Amino acid sequence: DAKTTQPTSMDCAEGRAANLPCNHSTISGNEYVYWYRQIHSQGPQYIIHGLKNNETNEMASLIITEDRKSSTLILPHATLRDTAVYYCIVRVESGGSNYKLTFGKGTLLTVNP
Amino acid sequence: NAGVMQNPRHLVRRRGQEARLRCSPMKGHSHVYWYRQLPEEGLKFMVYLQKENIIDESGMPKERFSAEFPKEGPSILRIQQVVRGDSAAYFCASSPPGLGRAGRNTIYFGEGSWLTVV
Repeated sequence: DAKTTQPTSMDCAEGRAANLPCNHSTISGNEYVYWYRQIHSQGPQYIIHGLKNNETNEMASLIITEDRKSSTLILPHATLRDTAVYYCIVRVESGGSNYKLTFGKGTLLTVNP
Repeated sequence: NAGVMQNPRHLVRRRGQEARLRCSPMKGHSHVYWYRQLPEEGLKFMVYLQKENIIDESGMPKERFSAEFPKEGPSILRIQQVVRGDSAAYFCASSPPGLGRAGRNTIYFGEGSWLTVV
């Protein structure tokens, strides 16, 4: 199983971009990178996922390095409501063509006023 | 998170009782996942099911825990003879048929069921 490494915590000023890094140096060629976040006492919320191309949606952008050994989640204009634990996950095979997501400890992002 | 419905949201059980947690997946989703989150810890995978079939139960405790996803009705996570250590948040997630090789799908979580064992 590919493992991910994230900083334990980060701070960001409200209105600025939040850049959350993730290392996944053992990732294989067909493994996707997923990002979720969990606001306190809520269920995890899907943010974005990608394979090798950069991705963007209404919530965030995902930048994956060319060697795919690391990625960065970018929240372009962080708000106080973006304070949460952010999880970078590499999906793992769960049998046949089925996959599951295994969560690590994530990064606690605190957005400060 | 909209669409994956879990109930009850909060459940209190005495030691030795049974706890049943229910999960209705999003419309059109045929795969269900259960995760457990102990206080101040991360999410731990428990079990992955599709209708009438367990795909992966590698995270399920060997005793007292069981899960099912019948042809009709919600998925059920059942904990028999609960102990204080079972107190946790239990999250259900669902997806269309799996995450798929192409990676187009993803899984969506419910708001969780908080079990407290007294």
